[in-house]
Amino acid sequence: AQSVSQHNHHVILSEAASLELGCNYSYGGTVNLFWYVQYPGQHLQLLLKYFSGDPLVKGIKGFEAEFIKSKFSFNLRKPSVQWSDTAEYFCAAAVGRTSYDKVIFGPGTSLSVIP
Amino acid sequence: EAQVTQNPRYLITVTGKKLTVTCSQNMNHEYMSWYRQDPGLGLRQIYYSMNVEVTDKGDVPEGYKVSRKEKRNFPLILESPSPNQTSLYFCASSARLAGIVEQYFGPGTRLTVT
Repeated sequence: AQSVSQHNHHVILSEAASLELGCNYSYGGTVNLFWYVQYPGQHLQLLLKYFSGDPLVKGIKGFEAEFIKSKFSFNLRKPSVQWSDTAEYFCAAAVGRTSYDKVIFGPGTSLSVIP
Repeated sequence: EAQVTQNPRYLITVTGKKLTVTCSQNMNHEYMSWYRQDPGLGLRQIYYSMNVEVTDKGDVPEGYKVSRKEKRNFPLILESPSPNQTSLYFCASSARLAGIVEQYFGPGTRLTVT
């Protein structure tokens, strides 16, 4: 079955620490991959996306992610987190036989950044 | 301003009473989708639509109906709501190339079924 898993349910970091959130997907075909962020009380916003090409993609707010096809992974990274990065982070995969329209989200990782 | 709107934002209803949650986007997007968000489960796709009159089931379509008669609107219909449909619902839209490009999410509708 198609699925997206995220390694951590809740991560707590101090400001300026480095961040890496793990994401793995289970799907045999081509996928488009996304990371979304949900700040408290707000709706989801796109951080970055990967369709093809360079497996290292850069997004907004200093986030980046690396697609490793052999590991079915798309991990999110940020070298130095800020208190304002406190949020819920969702990895998602768009899959399909002829077009990538069905979207599968991971369960989310809650990030708390301590000042 | 580019946006996805949902109405109502909050709804408390009783089991079996039909309801509709509206969703509208002003970006001329082909793709629209409905999700429910539950603690520990993330977002799960209910239905999606690739264009007018074209819809398909997501992972959790049971108990829900949708229609796409106009490009801008994608209402979610619960014919006979049950307590297990209590959840936070998000509508989203996206332009499409070979598939979705980037989804823009609405503000959410918190539904409670008693």
